[in-house]
Amino acid sequence: DIQMTQSPSSLSASVGDRVTITCRASQSISTYLNWYQHGPGKAPKLLIYAASSLQSGVPSRFSGSGSGTDFTLTISSLEPEDFAAYYCQQTYSSPLTFGGGTRVEIK
Amino acid sequence: QVQLVESGGGVVQPGRSLRLSCAASGFTFSHYGMHWVRQAPGKGLEWMTIIFYDGSEKYYADSVKGRFTISRDDSKSTLYLQMNSLRVEDTAVYYCAREAGGDRGVRGYFDSWGQGTLVTVSS
Repeated sequence: DIQMTQSPSSLSASVGDRVTITCRASQSISTYLNWYQHGPGKAPKLLIYAASSLQSGVPSRFSGSGSGTDFTLTISSLEPEDFAAYYCQQTYSSPLTFGGGTRVEIK
Repeated sequence: QVQLVESGGGVVQPGRSLRLSCAASGFTFSHYGMHWVRQAPGKGLEWMTIIFYDGSEKYYADSVKGRFTISRDDSKSTLYLQMNSLRVEDTAVYYCAREAGGDRGVRGYFDSWGQGTLVTVSS
């Protein structure tokens, strides 16, 4: 199975801050990497697919990059509604696996 | 708009069974592969199982293989998860998700999710 390692596991930031979350795969997954946002009591929401494609309706402050084993999700300027957990997911091979998550908290 | 609504969760004793449902609307259900994903308390997301758009193939995570069965009824636009021999460690919120952009369960992404249904396994 492909292991996905996210860092950091949590971070504190302020509205307006730039935030970067990283995800590393245990083997190359090309660009088959997705990012999701998950707020408490809410349905997970797709932000980025195929490493860098912005899902329709998602604000442009979210961006993704990377290929192979190393990937990054960047939020250019945090908004109040962005405080949530973020997960990467590889769909290169089955079983599909998620990273452990990054909780973005208010400083 | 696309909507997925899970139901069927509850409190169940270890070793017993439960069936979850996921009612889909706003899209042609029979055209999409569907997944179940769960989140145990305080933990991250864990992929459980997929059923292809035509029901021809199903795959499971090792943690539930042989105990859980995914199925679909396209006439009702509903996805199911039959959970047998439940264990305490199966306690989680269970989400259904629609797959897009992929090919036979891989290389895609989950573009719509339900709100989840809570399953608690406890004596």
